[in-house]
Amino acid sequence: NAGVTQTPKFRVLKTGQSMTLLCAQDMNHEYMYWYRQDPGMGLRLIHYSVGEGTTAKGEVPDGYNVSRLKKQNFLLGLESAAPSQTSVYFCASSRGTQVGAFFGQGTRLTVV
Amino acid sequence: DAKTTQPPSMDCAEGRAANLPCNHSTISGNEYVYWYRQIHSQGPQYIIHGLKNNETNEMASLIITEDRKSSTLILPHATLRDTAVYYCIVRVATGGGADGLTFGKGTHLIIQP
Repeated sequence: NAGVTQTPKFRVLKTGQSMTLLCAQDMNHEYMYWYRQDPGMGLRLIHYSVGEGTTAKGEVPDGYNVSRLKKQNFLLGLESAAPSQTSVYFCASSRGTQVGAFFGQGTRLTVV
Repeated sequence: DAKTTQPPSMDCAEGRAANLPCNHSTISGNEYVYWYRQIHSQGPQYIIHGLKNNETNEMASLIITEDRKSSTLILPHATLRDTAVYYCIVRVATGGGADGLTFGKGTHLIIQP
């Protein structure tokens, strides 16, 4: 059972480039989340989804877009990367809001 | 969601019980207490959660005071692998819309050999 898998694990982008981070879960969870974590900080919510075809903004959504075309996948897109988006990105999923969430191992993104 | 206060760091000897406190004096009646931990460079790991009764699972115990204004996470026999940042999070578990988890800076627990 893989749980939550994030692809890629590491990436270096140049300012202005675009990329998509993929999150896949095999637990049939309805809820999926994207967070970012900056050095010495807690996680901050970027976007989330409560089911296939639905997405919503979190605390820090600017500069990011998301899509949930399939229940098991949640994609995070950066249209024009900026150095301020250098961070570790974590995806999570959960069966509901009354239970714990499962996190992926993170994607370390550097924008130069 | 209510704000939580945790000590920035704690030490505990290997094999002893680690007791991590959390204050949440503004907690509302429908807010749950969740605990997660993050081992260096890894994704957060769910530990336990509760509303008002004490809870226990294979990883830890959660003790919530009667007035619900504070709680303690107990790792009964700490090992070196328990060294991590522990986050106490208070949130409403509505079962409907999801607004994610608000992570503060947590407590850095260091298990000493």
